[in-house]
Amino acid sequence: ETGVTQTPRHLVMGMTNKKSLKCEQHLGHNAMYWYKQSAKKPLELMFVYSLEERVENNSVPSRFSPECPNSSHLFLHLHTLQPEDSALYLCASRLGDFYTFGSGTRLTVV
Amino acid sequence: AQTVTQSQPEMSVQEAETVTLSCTYDTSESDYYLFWYKQPPSRQMILVIRQEAYKQQNATENRFSVNFQKAAKSFSLKISDSQLGDAAMYFCAYRTNTGNQFYFGTGTSLTVIP
Repeated sequence: ETGVTQTPRHLVMGMTNKKSLKCEQHLGHNAMYWYKQSAKKPLELMFVYSLEERVENNSVPSRFSPECPNSSHLFLHLHTLQPEDSALYLCASRLGDFYTFGSGTRLTVV
Repeated sequence: AQTVTQSQPEMSVQEAETVTLSCTYDTSESDYYLFWYKQPPSRQMILVIRQEAYKQQNATENRFSVNFQKAAKSFSLKISDSQLGDAAMYFCAYRTNTGNQFYFGTGTSLTVIP
C-alpha cells in the first residue's frame, strides 16, 4: 500500500446505475486528483482539489461528479455512464513535490 | 499546450542487459519537472526518477538513469542490469514548476526476458 487507498478495486456497473469511487489518504497531503487511464492513451486529468484551487478538465462529461469533503477523502460519483467510460481510474495525492498514487479502480460499464 | 510523447509502445530486454526508453515533450516553459513512473501489474504508479529542468546533471537512482537533453526536449530512461521485477508499464510525465497537473505519455510496456 502506498498510503493512498482506492475502493473498490474493481467495479462493474450498468449504464443506468449510480455508483461512487472512493479515495482516501492519511499522508497529510493537501491536494488530490482523479485521473482516467485508458489503453493506449495518456493519463487524462479529470479533477484536482487543493487548498489553492479546484480544477476541472472541461472535457470531462457531467456524468462524472467529484466530491472532496475534506483533505483526506475524495469521491467520484458516477451516473448514467457509457461503455467508453470503462477504464482504470487512478487517484493521487500531493504535498509539495511529492505525489503518491493509489492502485486504481478498474471500472467496466456494461 | 504541453504534450509528452513515448514512441515505443513495447520494448523487451534480456535479463541483466541494458534498455533505453524514449520520451520527448513539447513545452514553451523554461522551468519544469520531468518524471518516469513505473506501473506494475498491481496498477500502482511508482516514481522511478525525477529531473528538474534547471539542473544540467542527469538524475540517477541506482540502476536507473536519464539522458536529459533540454534543447532537444528529450528525456530517455536507461535501465541497467535489467531484472525481472523491472517488467511493467513505464510512463514519462511532465509538470510545470508552478502547475498542479501532470502531463503523461501513452506509456511503454517493458518485458524482461529471463
